[in-house]
Amino acid sequence: QSVLTQPPSASGTPGQRVTISCPGRSSNIGSNSVNWYQQFPGTAPKLLIYSNNQRPSGVPDRFSGSKSGTSASLAISGLQSEDEADYYCAAWDASLNAWVFGGGTKLTVL
Amino acid sequence: QVQLVESGGGVVQPGGSLRLSCAASKFNFSTYDMHWVRQAPGRGLEWVAFIRFDGSNKYYADSVKGRFTISRDNSKNTLYLQMNSLRAEDTAVYYCASGGFDWGQGTLVTVSS
Repeated sequence: QSVLTQPPSASGTPGQRVTISCPGRSSNIGSNSVNWYQQFPGTAPKLLIYSNNQRPSGVPDRFSGSKSGTSASLAISGLQSEDEADYYCAAWDASLNAWVFGGGTKLTVL
Repeated sequence: QVQLVESGGGVVQPGGSLRLSCAASKFNFSTYDMHWVRQAPGRGLEWVAFIRFDGSNKYYADSVKGRFTISRDNSKNTLYLQMNSLRAEDTAVYYCASGGFDWGQGTLVTVSS
């Protein structure tokens, strides 16, 4: 059981906007920043969003992150076929002294 | 371009030991907190261990506490994970990650008789 709860799957058609939720607790998302990672099969995760809503250099602005209270979200607008991947949220949990991850969301572009 | 290169993975029998290494380059390794994260086949990401930039604090997932030890040598720009008493459920690709930003390519650990 993952500490952060993500939907196991999400889908959309090209051009659509998709949102992936990541509810947590006061000890993790409620008090620490959230990162989002994108992972393609057989490859290492890649940082997509850090500090809740910041994009590393090279990440398209179609990807955006937000946080409100104990929940975070990743939004992908103008969905493209190459966005089909697994997405993970992560945050430090101050009660567990652990870096906690969501279970991952498999995004399918229909 | 940050580089993190893991090594030391392989096949080991249950109860055996392995030491993973993560060689860091092209960034100031000694100022970054580091993590080990693993991913079992077909599963999600699971955090394993954390070490502060100066080695002053270390934390472990409950699943590996008492069996795994994280360490670092800042003079060699290298992170380590000593894994003892290995179990079948430790089978995974093990990644090192710098402060949650950059990740290595991973090294596969298979625990099987």
